[in-house]
Amino acid sequence: DTGVSQNPRHKITKRGQNVTFRCDPISEHNRLYWYRQTLGQGPEFLTYFQNEAQLEKSRLLSDRFSAERPKGSFSTLEIQRTEQGDSAMYLCASWGIRYGYTFGSGTRLTVV
Amino acid sequence: KQEVTQIPAALSVPEGENLVLNCSFTDSAIYNLQWFRQDPGKGLTSLLLIQSSQREQTSGRLNASLDKSSGRSTLYIAASQPGDSATYLCAVNYGGSQGNLIFGKGTKLSVKP
Repeated sequence: DTGVSQNPRHKITKRGQNVTFRCDPISEHNRLYWYRQTLGQGPEFLTYFQNEAQLEKSRLLSDRFSAERPKGSFSTLEIQRTEQGDSAMYLCASWGIRYGYTFGSGTRLTVV
Repeated sequence: KQEVTQIPAALSVPEGENLVLNCSFTDSAIYNLQWFRQDPGKGLTSLLLIQSSQREQTSGRLNASLDKSSGRSTLYIAASQPGDSATYLCAVNYGGSQGNLIFGKGTKLSVKP
């Protein structure tokens, strides 16, 4: 396995539209995390899965955000009724005991 | 509140210099600390992971140290190269094996040829 894969790499959407991002973690990692990063800031934690169970959600994750990880494999992050403030880089990471976190290349969302 | 601070915010050095990036954290009860590199518009690449019981980790020209009692970590880069130009992020894990990371804002490094 070559690492954590995220799709799409870039997404431009109009305000009010729904968007969905996908993350494929390293296959042997059972923990998967979503982070959000705005310009000039470090990434901020959004939510975390242990296998298919969503164990923790940040206060940053408003009701318009939902994340799933069916069957404990890939994960999706959906944003409904997007707002301009949702524009950011959305990063996915999986965790392994040897190397800690491995991040994907991210999905850059621009809401116009 | 658990916070991570990185100083300086930006650094420009000539090629070949040795340099130190600093990271401080407010709560010393960390589980581990990880340094990442981020190229513009890209994701994060893990550089070094230091467990709370460790004092330092080395990988090639990189050396990271950890002093829990003072709430500090440093990333030392030897013989810097233009290819080292990137943003370096420090992240602290307080939550044990299931913990999420708290990141600093990063140090943007520019190495001039």
